[in-house]
Amino acid sequence: DSGVTQTPKHLITATGQRVTLRCSPRSGDLSVYWYQQSLDQGLQFLIQYYNGEERAKGNILERFSAQQFPDLHSELNLSSLELGDSALYFCASSVVQENTEAFFGQGTRLTVV
Amino acid sequence: AQSVAQPEDQVNVAEGNPLTVKCTYSVSGNPYLFWYVQYPNRGLQFLLKYITGDNLVKGSYGFEAEFNKSQTSFHLKKPSALVSDSALYFCAVRDSARQLTFGSGTQLTVLP
Repeated sequence: DSGVTQTPKHLITATGQRVTLRCSPRSGDLSVYWYQQSLDQGLQFLIQYYNGEERAKGNILERFSAQQFPDLHSELNLSSLELGDSALYFCASSVVQENTEAFFGQGTRLTVV
Repeated sequence: AQSVAQPEDQVNVAEGNPLTVKCTYSVSGNPYLFWYVQYPNRGLQFLLKYITGDNLVKGSYGFEAEFNKSQTSFHLKKPSALVSDSALYFCAVRDSARQLTFGSGTQLTVLP
């Protein structure tokens, strides 16, 4: 168990809908990362938050947004969903230093039908 | 911009034989390098990291990795492969607290 909790584990929704994925980082970790893993595109970095502030942005679509709350949990909001958004979405957390590893949650498998 | 390349999509090795999974990186400044493993329908698990010091890094489950600065490589190795090592392996690099950038992954299959 990595200590990072993601909910829900599975999500099935229709095109055009909006969903929210939730992540609770490991105790003491201030940084949260979101990744998308699809079969054809590998593991894509979406966005990073550090102590409530956006720290880095990767290949995140405008239809997607995220935030980190004062209790450090994070939510990834996906809207106007398309079939191509079907993927595994991972959250990871780490302490602030760049030489430390990140710990991953089990992921949320999103299926858009 | 930092990047990681894993040149092999698939590596097959017989059980008991040594295995190598290749990784090369590009980063400005000091590289912080990581290996992760992913089993089916699971999250990524940290295996080992290189920060500084000894070029040979030992990690979990008998894995080790060799850092080579001149070749900008960080290959994952294990002296004797097990069938249970079959999984998807990712190399990653981090530079100056920026995002952790992953390679495309290498599927390792250990044949009994």
